[in-house]
Amino acid sequence: GAVVSQHPSWVICKSGTSVKIECRSLDFQATTMFWYRQFPKQSLMLMATSNEGSKATYEQGVEKDKFLINHASLTLSTLTVTSAHPEDSSFYICSAIPGQGLGEQYFGPGTRLTVT
Amino acid sequence: AQTVTQSQPEMSVQEAETVTLSCTYDTSESDYYLFWYKQPPSRQMILVIRQEAYKQQNATENRFSVNFQKAAKSFSLKISDSQLGDAAMYFCAYQYAGGTSYGKLTFGQGTILTVHP
Repeated sequence: GAVVSQHPSWVICKSGTSVKIECRSLDFQATTMFWYRQFPKQSLMLMATSNEGSKATYEQGVEKDKFLINHASLTLSTLTVTSAHPEDSSFYICSAIPGQGLGEQYFGPGTRLTVT
Repeated sequence: AQTVTQSQPEMSVQEAETVTLSCTYDTSESDYYLFWYKQPPSRQMILVIRQEAYKQQNATENRFSVNFQKAAKSFSLKISDSQLGDAAMYFCAYQYAGGTSYGKLTFGQGTILTVHP
């Protein structure tokens, strides 16, 4: 089946610094990728839709200057958390849809971000 | 806007028994997909089953089946012969099949399923 990877799986950074999270589709191309945030025992909250070659579309309430998304190729999207603060600590998950189709999204294993 | 509601925060079942997880959704669209995803302690999201709204027949995948009631906007998941490995958080999700929200998933709140040996 289709595989999506994320790197790193766990990152600790100091308050005020920036951290980049990578999302890769390993065996398929994805025009569209999605970034979610999840707090413990809660649902996934969609942060933004990442479109290859164009600007990301952010959900209401998500600061686009704080969460920078770049979808530079059909297999890679990155999420950069800028000037991180402890409240940004969370579990970040990406997903991708093969080609330009609908239906099943393939999820990455997630990245745990801890800001100290 | 579409909403998905899972009214059971937690459910439990004995091993080998059957359990049903509930999900309702609200949409004005007629063309959409519905999914059940499983998130075990590893937190890797795993697709359990999908249903296309235009199909009247309920989807089944081995021990997993759904009861899709389009008019009632209900989409429940039945797990038969429950196994210890079924213990996880289960999410119901809706995907509109068109428009500018192409591909976006709307998730329910989740149901934590515990399986007792």
